[in-house]
Amino acid sequence: KAGVTQTPRYLIKTRGQQVTLSCSPISGHRSVSWYQQTPGQGLQFLFEYFSETQRNKGNFPGRFSGRQFSNSRSEMNVSTLELGDSALYLCASTLSRYRGPLPHGTQYFGPGTRLTVL
Amino acid sequence: GIQVEQSPPDLILQEGANSTLRCNFSDSVNNLQWFHQNPWGQLINLFYIPSGTKQNGRLSATTVATERYSLLYISSSQTTDSGVYFCAVWLNRDDKIIFGKGTRLHILP
Repeated sequence: KAGVTQTPRYLIKTRGQQVTLSCSPISGHRSVSWYQQTPGQGLQFLFEYFSETQRNKGNFPGRFSGRQFSNSRSEMNVSTLELGDSALYLCASTLSRYRGPLPHGTQYFGPGTRLTVL
Repeated sequence: GIQVEQSPPDLILQEGANSTLRCNFSDSVNNLQWFHQNPWGQLINLFYIPSGTKQNGRLSATTVATERYSLLYISSSQTTDSGVYFCAVWLNRDDKIIFGKGTRLHILP
């Protein structure tokens, strides 16, 4: 099976712009989670989608949003970019049949999108 | 919320040495996973281990859920083992997944 893929791999934007990142999970996986990794804050949970529904969201402002399509592919969007949004954005897919608020089971990560905001 | 502490923060070893990485968590959890992040940023799943012991080649992990810790053992280290090791914990009923700050491992040739 193909792994988790993320596009684009690298992105440079300027303050005030918006950006959309894409994640394709492993075939058959219905849960997709998004994370932000920065040197200062480490890895932080953004949100998780299961069957096109956002089940949970971390402590990020409303500028961070996402969605999931019927084929389980997910996108996250960041509007009005700030310098502090520069980070590695990772998505993970899980074969999760559990209908609780978070994935249940092994998470498989994509290679990430490195976003630089100038 | 749950607190996760990993120790040691940094570890430098000679190739061939063994190591033990620790992950302590402040509350009971339903899920625990160990990852290795390589120098290119890719997070690679090592173990999904909410309890018990698992082994995969030179790596093994043990989680003692009642005592709120997990250990990752690396035997006969190789230079390719270098990188950052993270543990992540979460509750099925909770609202977020918490990562530790990681252990940075350097294996010297």
